[in-house]
Amino acid sequence: DTAVSQTPKYLVTQMGNDKSIKCEQNLGHDTMYWYKQDSKKFLKIMFSYNNKELIINETVPNRFSPKSPDKAHLNLHINSLELGDSAVYFCASSRGGGAFFGQGTRLTVV
Amino acid sequence: AQSVTQLGSHVSVSEGALVLLRCNYSSSVPPYLFWYVQYPNQGLQLLLKYTTGATLVKGINGFEAEFKKSETSFHLTKPSAHMSDAAEYFCAVSEGAASGSRLTFGEGTQLTVNP
Repeated sequence: DTAVSQTPKYLVTQMGNDKSIKCEQNLGHDTMYWYKQDSKKFLKIMFSYNNKELIINETVPNRFSPKSPDKAHLNLHINSLELGDSAVYFCASSRGGGAFFGQGTRLTVV
Repeated sequence: AQSVTQLGSHVSVSEGALVLLRCNYSSSVPPYLFWYVQYPNQGLQLLLKYTTGATLVKGINGFEAEFKKSETSFHLTKPSAHMSDAAEYFCAVSEGAASGSRLTFGEGTQLTVNP
């Protein structure tokens, strides 16, 4: 069983569209995250949820809206996609002391 | 505030040679330190971590790292490189195990292993 799974793995869409990425973890962790990896492979945190509550919102445009329906799920919805949103988005989960990452979603905005 | 500096964005070694990837950190509280590996088109896999206790930590695939508080370093080593070690390596720091503690990553080091 995959510990942290995200769908889709690849997402190609036009500017201005709205898209969602889904994430699920079966590790029983309390905390989930979204990270963005840019073209230079730099990883930066976007959001963190603990027990369904938002605890980190790292100066991300409000076009990005995370939603956590329960502890095991953290979805990312992106409105009005822009070229600069093209990146790999990683979901992760932890129970303190490190994190387990999903396989990533490569978003390409054309 | 916390930060990580990885010295050398690219490291190249011969198969069988020592691997040394350097990481220095800054943290206002006792840090938790991590090394992750990323193979092409894949997610990040945890290699090893330091939280408390023994400063020399061993991880998967023969890697180990030593926490040196006086030098604020957490360098990653492996005695003998394999071709399969070629990947991107990330050092990361978090400020303890509090719920929701963020991981702050270095910029990564691309390891190339030459035959």
